[in-house]
Amino acid sequence: QVQLVQSGAEVKKPGASVKVSCKASGYTFTNYDINWVRQATGQGLEWMGWVNPNSGNSGYAQKFQGRVTVTRSTSMSTAYMELSSLRSEDSAVYYCTRAIAASGTAYYSYYMDVWGKGTTVTVSS
Amino acid sequence: SYELTQAPSVSVSPGQTASITCFGDKLGDKYAYWYQQKPGQSPVLVIYEDSKRPSGMPERFSGSNSGNTATLTISGTQAMDEADYYCQAWDSSTVIFGGGTKLTVL
Repeated sequence: QVQLVQSGAEVKKPGASVKVSCKASGYTFTNYDINWVRQATGQGLEWMGWVNPNSGNSGYAQKFQGRVTVTRSTSMSTAYMELSSLRSEDSAVYYCTRAIAASGTAYYSYYMDVWGKGTTVTVSS
Repeated sequence: SYELTQAPSVSVSPGQTASITCFGDKLGDKYAYWYQQKPGQSPVLVIYEDSKRPSGMPERFSGSNSGNTATLTISGTQAMDEADYYCQAWDSSTVIFGGGTKLTVL
């Protein structure tokens, strides 16, 4: 079955970087974008960015521009999200998601059909 | 930047119909999507492209989108439907989420 398996919880100090991995299985990795979404405790979903595993192209939410990098390894069917200059407000659960993109519909369609279980990142001195 | 607005909470009695709305400028000119998230779990897609249900999603979940408003409707609401619900749209090559609505079944 389609699965996204994320790396384990991380504890980081302010100013450090964190890199979270997301291993895909059960489908052709290069056929679907991978997106990253985070959720602070008791808060809503916040989109961070995407990577196209086929081309390697990526895009980011303006809020995270310059601080987040999303990459992939096609040989390992794995996507990565690296967030730098961590601060306490970055403490959250980080999800990777598989995205469906379709342009043959009435409007451009882009949504997340499979989610990983999440990786908890705690930023604390 | 584009924004989606949801009411923080909605309450419904078991067996009744719950309506959860999502507001955005000319939202009807885009697709709306809905996700359900239960405590401690990852979100799950419940409606895509305004009104389509993923395979396995119960028929009691339906959606519509017109003008500035997308609506998720849950008919015959069950206790298991108690969760947070998020709407989502795509605008200018970015994913936009609404702030979420907590559905209480009581």
